[in-house]
Amino acid sequence: QKEVEQDPGPLSVPEGAIVSLNCTYSNSAFQYFMWYRQYSRKGPELLMYTYSSGNKEDGRFTAQVDKSSKYISLFIRDSQPSDSATYLCAMSPGNNRKLIWGLGTSLAVNP
Amino acid sequence: GAGVSQSPSNKVTEKGKDVELRCDPISGHTALYWYRQRLGQGLEFLIYFQGNSAPDKSGLPSDRFSAERTGESVSTLTIQRTQQEDSAVYLCASSFNAGGTGNTIYFGEGSWLTVV
Repeated sequence: QKEVEQDPGPLSVPEGAIVSLNCTYSNSAFQYFMWYRQYSRKGPELLMYTYSSGNKEDGRFTAQVDKSSKYISLFIRDSQPSDSATYLCAMSPGNNRKLIWGLGTSLAVNP
Repeated sequence: GAGVSQSPSNKVTEKGKDVELRCDPISGHTALYWYRQRLGQGLEFLIYFQGNSAPDKSGLPSDRFSAERTGESVSTLTIQRTQQEDSAVYLCASSFNAGGTGNTIYFGEGSWLTVV
């Protein structure tokens, strides 16, 4: 079993839809949780960062962490075609160099 | 520079040849990371440099892989006697420091390596 599981999709939604992206993990030591967005042939860019459990909101994006279930989510409201990308979750017990990554979920938002 | 710069952006090489990939981090960033991303797989940590400390090489997959960094500037990842399974995008990233995961990691656009 991989430490981080993420459904690769692809996920296709109409413009304006609410998108839910998820990762599960097995290592209870993970404390830091991140979501990155990666456009085709580009490097990943940090979208959201959360420490421990709880919710964090930034514009149209909301990150949720449920440590009891070892489950994290990223919600995108009012999705736009420009949100079409691969979304990667990453997590760590506390040190950047030990980030463990999901495979990424490919999202297409159709106008 | 404004962002992490990597070169070459694309490289096609013959099996058995050596390749060098270069990374120029954001100025002032003391931490530098190399990752590998193979098709259909997640990012794999390769090596990490922090200032003048000994690098963390725990992710290097074999002794054919090595990396160097000059002070807090440019880094070079070298792959000797390339194999087809080395085909991947090699991503370099840097951060201000590695004192906590809150320091944002900035990625370059990657060097896309194809071994034929």
